Amino acid sequence: ILNVEQSPQSLHVQEGDSTNFTCSFPSSNFYALHWYRWETAKSPEALFVMTLNGDEKKKGRISATLNTKEGYSYLYIKGSQPEDSATYLCAFQNAGNMLTFGGGTRLMVKP
Amino acid sequence: EPEVTQTPSHQVTQMGQEVILRCVPISNHLYFYWYRQILGQKVEFLVSFYNNEISEKSEIFDDQFSVERPDGSNFTLKIRSTKLEDSAMYFCASRIQWGSQSEQYFGPGTRLTVT
Repeated sequence: ILNVEQSPQSLHVQEGDSTNFTCSFPSSNFYALHWYRWETAKSPEALFVMTLNGDEKKKGRISATLNTKEGYSYLYIKGSQPEDSATYLCAFQNAGNMLTFGGGTRLMVKP
Repeated sequence: EPEVTQTPSHQVTQMGQEVILRCVPISNHLYFYWYRQILGQKVEFLVSFYNNEISEKSEIFDDQFSVERPDGSNFTLKIRSTKLEDSAMYFCASRIQWGSQSEQYFGPGTRLTVT
């Protein structure tokens, strides 16, 4: 059984704060690491697909890093806004293509 | 922007009844998936499907489950005889290529409640 863990489970920050959360995953049989942003009653939205050790990807105020040797990825949000409030999911992909999800980090940004 | 759609958004059924959950993947995508999330638990993989065949399935996907692509657009998940523990949010996803590091695009989910 693959173990993908995310921390913290939930996070409350003030508007303007920068924040980050962690995804840990198996360091063997790694193929890709996916990050999703999921708002209630909507489809999970793909943020990043990360494949190479040391990868760093950025989309606006959100960025992510990847360490496949030690099995972790960080997601950073710079200057959080209320519209960033959502659950952020990471998912480990092995060569078989199925995604194994972490439990998510629920972010709430207070105005 | 193209999106994956799912119907219904919420389905209530009695234990032992059959249900069919419907998905319309993105039109040029070739690989299709079903996942589910039981309340309070992680999203779990059920099955992947390509070229009218199941490619992979998890232990959850037992003989009570089946998938079908009955025409060029729909992708369905059937549960033959629902149990209380089948209550969950069911997500369909599609991707354009197998084995590549491309995104899986998810639908908004169908909430299945078995009473």
